[in-house]
Amino acid sequence: AQSVAQPEDQVNVAEGNPLTVKCTYSVSGNPYLFWYVQYPNRGLQFLLKYITGDNLVKGSYGFEAEFNKSQTSFHLKKPSALVSDSALYFCAVRDGSGAGSYQLTFGKGTKLSVIP
Amino acid sequence: DTGVSQNPRHKITKRGQNVTFRCDPISEHNRLYWYRQTLGQGPEFLTYFQNEAQLEKSRLLSDRFSAERPKGSFSTLEIQRTEQGDSAMYLCASSTIQGGSYGYTFGSGTRLTVV
Repeated sequence: AQSVAQPEDQVNVAEGNPLTVKCTYSVSGNPYLFWYVQYPNRGLQFLLKYITGDNLVKGSYGFEAEFNKSQTSFHLKKPSALVSDSALYFCAVRDGSGAGSYQLTFGKGTKLSVIP
Repeated sequence: DTGVSQNPRHKITKRGQNVTFRCDPISEHNRLYWYRQTLGQGPEFLTYFQNEAQLEKSRLLSDRFSAERPKGSFSTLEIQRTEQGDSAMYLCASSTIQGGSYGYTFGSGTRLTVV
C-alpha cells in the first residue's frame, strides 16, 4: 500500500518570504513523487516530479522540491512567495518499481495563503 | 487542443437518476485515469485504462459505477441510481505509455451535485 501525508491543512506566508509545504510518503517500491496545484473549481496542474537523479527538483513557477529518502519526505519550496501562489497544493506518490500500480495516491492537500 | 477535456463541467441531478461524464484525453496518451475528489480531500483513484482495456479498478468503484473506453480514445464514466454521497468532482487524467513517469495531465473536472 502507498500513502501520502501532508501534515499542515493550511500554510500562511507573507509575500516575498520563502515558503515550504510539507509532504511525507510511504511506498513499498521506488517512489515516483509529484506535486500538483489546484485553483478553485479547477483541475490539477502539474508542478514538478521526482523520478530519479538529483534530489533537488525544479519545476514550474519557481517551485522546487527536495527528495529525502531517509526521511521519506518531498517538501515543496519557493524562495519568494507571490500572492498568486495562493492555492491548494497536493503531493502524490506512486510505486515506480514496475510491480506497483499506476495509480497516483494523493495527500489531503495543503491550502497555501500568501498574505500581501 | 492539447489538454484533457471533460464534459460537462457541472451536472446537477436528482437522486436516483443516471449520469454520464465524458473525458477526451491528450491524443497521444495511451493511459486514461478517473479520480474522484470530495470537498477537503485529495483525489481518490477510481479506475484506469490502457488503450481500451480497463486494467485496474478501485473498490471505491461500486456496482453503480461503470467506465468505458471503447476505441482507446475518449472515455465515459456512468453512475447509475445516483446517491447524495456521489456528489463530488470527477477528474480525468491521461499519461503516456510510460505510466506517468512524465506526469499525469488532468482535466478541469466534472462537478456532480446530487439533490
